[in-house]
Amino acid sequence: DVQLVESGGGLIQPGGSLRLSCAASGFSVSSNYMSWVRQAPGKGLEWVSIIYSGGNTYYADSVKGRFTISRDNNKNALYLQMNSLRAEDTAVYYCEATSSGHWGQGTLVAVSS
Amino acid sequence: QAVVTQEPSLTVSPGGTVTLTCGSSSGGVTSGHYPYWFQQKPGQAPRTLISDISNKHSWTPARFSGSLLGGKAALTLSGAQPEDEADYYCLLSYGGTRVFGGGTRLTVL
Repeated sequence: DVQLVESGGGLIQPGGSLRLSCAASGFSVSSNYMSWVRQAPGKGLEWVSIIYSGGNTYYADSVKGRFTISRDNNKNALYLQMNSLRAEDTAVYYCEATSSGHWGQGTLVAVSS
Repeated sequence: QAVVTQEPSLTVSPGGTVTLTCGSSSGGVTSGHYPYWFQQKPGQAPRTLISDISNKHSWTPARFSGSLLGGKAALTLSGAQPEDEADYYCLLSYGGTRVFGGGTRLTVL
């Protein structure tokens, strides 16, 4: 069975950093397009970032220069390094295996002083 | 960054048919936008229904179908069921980046 499990969320002060992880099983992250998607409380989905199987990465304008997507093929995991966090980054962050259509359950990031 | 537009809300009768659409501020939606459709119910993670215009996943009910219609991406639900009441989001690709629409709240009533 395909499974995606996010971790690393929590409460962080503005300007701080967090690293989200997404552990994958049942498929290889290296052969999938993998994405991060977020959802602020009571709001719609917002695309954040994608890493293609060839390694190319892309970001939404709202996070460009602050967030970095990466993967570890040996650990079969996806990551999102988030720096210079702002209150507007508060959201549930989902990991998505774009190629296969599978989603994790999400991890909550709350940016507040 | 382009803006992706969806109907904010739609209502369909049980057993009825409804079409949700997805437009782009940069012009007509084409196959090059690789439109996706997602369903999200309250308190749950999103679920991918349709990839690349019309490709269904193993879990996608047969009553859902995707297409390009009049310069927009479209999701058609034929034979609506009460459990189809949810938020539906489309996603379009612009080169390497992607943009979600604002979502359509579908009520089955």
